[in-house]
Amino acid sequence: AQSVTQLDSQVPVFEEAPVELRCNYSSSVSVYLFWYVQYPNQGLQLLLKYLSGSTLVKGINGFEAEFNKSQTSFHLRKPSVHISDTAEYFCAVSGMDSSYKLIFGSGTRLLVRP
Amino acid sequence: KAGVTQTPRYLIKTRGQQVTLSCSPISGHRSVSWYQQTPGQGLQFLFEYFSETQRNKGNFPGRFSGRQFSNSRSEMNVSTLELGDSALYLCASSAPGQGTYEQYFGPGTRLTVT
Repeated sequence: AQSVTQLDSQVPVFEEAPVELRCNYSSSVSVYLFWYVQYPNQGLQLLLKYLSGSTLVKGINGFEAEFNKSQTSFHLRKPSVHISDTAEYFCAVSGMDSSYKLIFGSGTRLLVRP
Repeated sequence: KAGVTQTPRYLIKTRGQQVTLSCSPISGHRSVSWYQQTPGQGLQFLFEYFSETQRNKGNFPGRFSGRQFSNSRSEMNVSTLELGDSALYLCASSAPGQGTYEQYFGPGTRLTVT
């Protein structure tokens, strides 16, 4: 079984400042890792994913994440945020044995202030 | 390509009734997954269908069921609705076999049970 912990329910940040959204996971099997973003009244959009290979993964909209196996973490970062990045961000994992069953964290609301 | 479509977008039902939600995946995608999103429980996996067969199932009561048709369109049904079934129901499609494990989400159906 897998579980995902997003420690911060809300992260306020000023425009053009850097941001890090934290994600830790627990699993008894190897996993794939994902970050999704949800804008108000919309579905989820994939930001980036880690399947294998380089532990630093780059995604859309200038986001990147680093997979750390020893710390079981997959933190999301952006060097300079924009007002339009205000949204809910979800970290998710899927076991390699059940790849289309996503287990989500509780989400982090990123609030970008001018 | 057109994205994942879900109908209806909004639905109001009375406790004890049943409801059917529909999902049309991206053309060529044969896997469809369903998720329930609530403020209290977050995003939870309901089930996944591939080639008309249920491959994975989440921890939901038997009142929640689904099916997939030969054209990959999927429906989920909730019988004997309870107030706690009020949620955003998200459908996601993917193309197994391409090694990407990406799931593309629809905008969701917001179900309100009164």
